[in-house]
Amino acid sequence: AQKITQTQPGMFVQEKEAVTLDCTYDTSDQSYGLFWYKQPSSGEMIFLIYQGSYDEQNATEGRYSLNFQKARKSANLVISASQLGDSAMYFCAMREYEGYSSASKIIFGSGTRLSIRP
Amino acid sequence: DVKVTQSSRYLVKRTGEKVFLECVQDMDHENMFWYRQDPGLGLRLIYFSYDVKMKEKGDIPEGYSVSREKKERFSLILESASTNQTSMYLCASSLGQGQLDNYGYTFGSGTRLTVV
Repeated sequence: AQKITQTQPGMFVQEKEAVTLDCTYDTSDQSYGLFWYKQPSSGEMIFLIYQGSYDEQNATEGRYSLNFQKARKSANLVISASQLGDSAMYFCAMREYEGYSSASKIIFGSGTRLSIRP
Repeated sequence: DVKVTQSSRYLVKRTGEKVFLECVQDMDHENMFWYRQDPGLGLRLIYFSYDVKMKEKGDIPEGYSVSREKKERFSLILESASTNQTSMYLCASSLGQGQLDNYGYTFGSGTRLTVV
């Protein structure tokens, strides 16, 4: 069964430093998608970045990049030059496809709470 | 701006009550989802729907049911609320499979339900 593992329940990082949030996944599918979401204290889930399993280049979106290592089944999120506003919960997620329905479910890891120190 | 709207931000209900959580999206998305979020467990899928009147069980459907009579509305029903259903409930929607949906889901702002 598909599974997402985030081994860091919480992290503290100094402002302006880079930070890496770990994510490993398990799937037998050849075609899948990987996501990172941010959840600030307000509770909304904000999409950050996406990586397709066939994408050869690592995805980047502004200060966010996804370090995709397919053979190791890891999809770490890298935030460069962290800011106070980056303090939030971060979820790694993976899309799986149901064989008989048209819905594509996303499964989530348990999350990492990132705190940025001034 | 596209939206997924959940009718209540906070709810307090008594054990045994029937509870309705409403979710409406204005993006003409085919798929809609209900998750619950608990500390240390992440988001767990309760039910999802890929079309009007269609529903599929997620990973933790016990004690819940859903209704999707119109494309834009997906309701989560707690038939007889219990204290272990105290949680944050998140609704989400997405395009159908095969379409460009690499943005994943659009989420509502969540409903924090407390059952006393």
